Amino acid sequence: NAGVTQTPKFQVLKTGQSMTLQCAQDMNHEYMSWYRQDPGMGLRLIHYSVGAGITDQGEVPNGYNVSRSTTEDFPLRLLSAAPSQTSVYFCASSLPGPGTQYFGPGTRLTVL
Amino acid sequence: GIQVEQSPPDLILQEGANSTLRCNFSDSVNNLQWFHQNPWGQLINLFYIPSGTKQNGRLSATTVATERYSLLYISSSQTTDSGVYFCAVVDYGQNFVFGPGTRLSVLP
Repeated sequence: NAGVTQTPKFQVLKTGQSMTLQCAQDMNHEYMSWYRQDPGMGLRLIHYSVGAGITDQGEVPNGYNVSRSTTEDFPLRLLSAAPSQTSVYFCASSLPGPGTQYFGPGTRLTVL
Repeated sequence: GIQVEQSPPDLILQEGANSTLRCNFSDSVNNLQWFHQNPWGQLINLFYIPSGTKQNGRLSATTVATERYSLLYISSSQTTDSGVYFCAVVDYGQNFVFGPGTRLSVLP
């Protein structure tokens, strides 16, 4: 069991570039989500999915797109990167209902 | 939406000391977890504890859901306990609201 994996670990972009952050889990979890963590702060929810084909917005969705074509994968797309999107991005997954959520190792993104 | 507060914001301990971290939340929750973010940024699950008391080695946690708070106890602290401790809650659905964290530094 690899758990929740994220790629890349680090990424530097220029303003206006687009990219996709990858997230995968091998625990057959239906629920997956993306958070961002800015320096000195807690995590904030960007988007989430309760199952394949179903996604919804979280607290800070602007500038990001998601899709969920399989149970295992939940990619996060930055459409046109801005310096304000410089952050550490975490992906999480869990089974439906209350219970432990598992976090990936994070992707550190810098936008110049 | 639900608000989460944590105290203290910063804590410095000598190795071997005990500590208590507090998490207050503004509404009923159906999920509460404590996480440790180590100095390398990795988030580690400590406890899933929407109510009651749990213990895992030197760490234990208690959530009093009716009074809307949770406590994390660290006994005989070690330098490897350093990092940021987050409380995160879910009021409905499955989306976490994170507190601002308590930054713990354990000195040798």
